[in-house]
Amino acid sequence: DGGITQSPKYLFRKEGQNVTLSCEQNLNHDAMYWYRQDPGQGLRLIYYSQIVNDFQKGDIAEGYSVSREKKESFPLTVTSAQKNPTAFYLCASSIPGQGGYPEAFFGQGTRLTVV
Amino acid sequence: AQTVTQSQPEMSVQEAETVTLSCTYDTSESDYYLFWYKQPPSRQMILVIRQEAYKQQNATENRFSVNFQKAAKSFSLKISDSQLGDAAMYFCAYRSSYNNDMRFGAGTRLTVKP
Repeated sequence: DGGITQSPKYLFRKEGQNVTLSCEQNLNHDAMYWYRQDPGQGLRLIYYSQIVNDFQKGDIAEGYSVSREKKESFPLTVTSAQKNPTAFYLCASSIPGQGGYPEAFFGQGTRLTVV
Repeated sequence: AQTVTQSQPEMSVQEAETVTLSCTYDTSESDYYLFWYKQPPSRQMILVIRQEAYKQQNATENRFSVNFQKAAKSFSLKISDSQLGDAAMYFCAYRSSYNNDMRFGAGTRLTVKP
């Protein structure tokens, strides 16, 4: 089955530790995204990538880092510099440009809790 | 960067009635895509409807339709014959055709009353 897989679904970390959230897609999509969702709020863009080895900052990139070494994978690292990392994180992918379906397809999300 | 505004944090509709959710966006681009997504309590994001900016005709998907006003930068969602299963958070989204930047609004929580 084609889709986007985020793992783990729930993640607990101690304050001050870096943590990496996994996002893998087998849809052959070029573009991938990371969003943060806080309770009762919308999706805020952290980073997005249009192609391998390229990514752009979104509105709230501070305290986060990403890599795009393979087309299928776009891991997000939440560093100790992120002031309030507890949130729900969503990964998405889409086909860029004309043709195909322009919408983003989403993973099921990772709930990160920092204690 | 483009911004998306949903001015209605919460909306309520009676079952079988019609409700309209509002969305405006700010952009200087001429080519882009607009979407409405639904997020039920499971938090899985589900595409409701899409609209290509170069198409003048409003998109329709069964009970869901949009009113796309490009000059006014407005993109509202109309849900007809509302059902209990329509209760969810609804997000309006904008995707650039030039750099694939994709932004979401703050969302509207829709309650459907039996």
